[in-house]
Amino acid sequence: KNEVEQSPQNLTAQEGEFITINCSYSVGISALHWLQQHPGGGIVSLFMLSSGKKKHGRLIATINIQEKHSSLHITASHPRDSAVYICAVSPPSNTGNQFYFGTGTSLTVIP
Amino acid sequence: KAGVTQTPRYLIKTRGQQVTLSCSPISGHRSVSWYQQTPGQGLQFLFEYFSETQRNKGNFPGRFSGRQFSNSRSEMNVSTLELGDSALYLCASSLAVAGNFQETQYFGPGTRLLVL
Repeated sequence: KNEVEQSPQNLTAQEGEFITINCSYSVGISALHWLQQHPGGGIVSLFMLSSGKKKHGRLIATINIQEKHSSLHITASHPRDSAVYICAVSPPSNTGNQFYFGTGTSLTVIP
Repeated sequence: KAGVTQTPRYLIKTRGQQVTLSCSPISGHRSVSWYQQTPGQGLQFLFEYFSETQRNKGNFPGRFSGRQFSNSRSEMNVSTLELGDSALYLCASSLAVAGNFQETQYFGPGTRLLVL
């Protein structure tokens, strides 16, 4: 059983569409991270959140701790948003960083 | 500021050999974590180093080891390579402010290892 489940696995959207990627986790966490990975492998951290909602440009991330669920929204999607989006959680600990990763959502935005 | 750098970027080895990968964190970052990414298993946490000490370890066999130097640079070593060790190995660094491990991770470009 995976500690972190993402849906959908694959997503194709037309440019301009509103996109939602979901992440559910089964462990207690201290933080949830949304990562973006472009072809070629480079990973960029988009958000780290432990409660509520964060917004950066066209990206919005929300988390519901009680329901153990987070969503990543992309407004006005663009072909350059095409990437794999990965949800990761860090469990409570008083030291260090440890992560459980979702399997990723592959997003393709068509012009 | 320069980003996280990893060397080498690509590597081909044969079964049974050993390999050492290097990671230089962002200046001022004290924590370095290592991850393995394969098509089958996705991203998995290997271990994390802080102040030259391994702080956390994932579920990998003892063939996987690492160390961190006083300048925060880190190396990971894989001994007796197996075909299944073929993967993208990523490192990430963070500030590791004392008492706070909820931090943004800054990833390097990765080292792509192929074991033949």
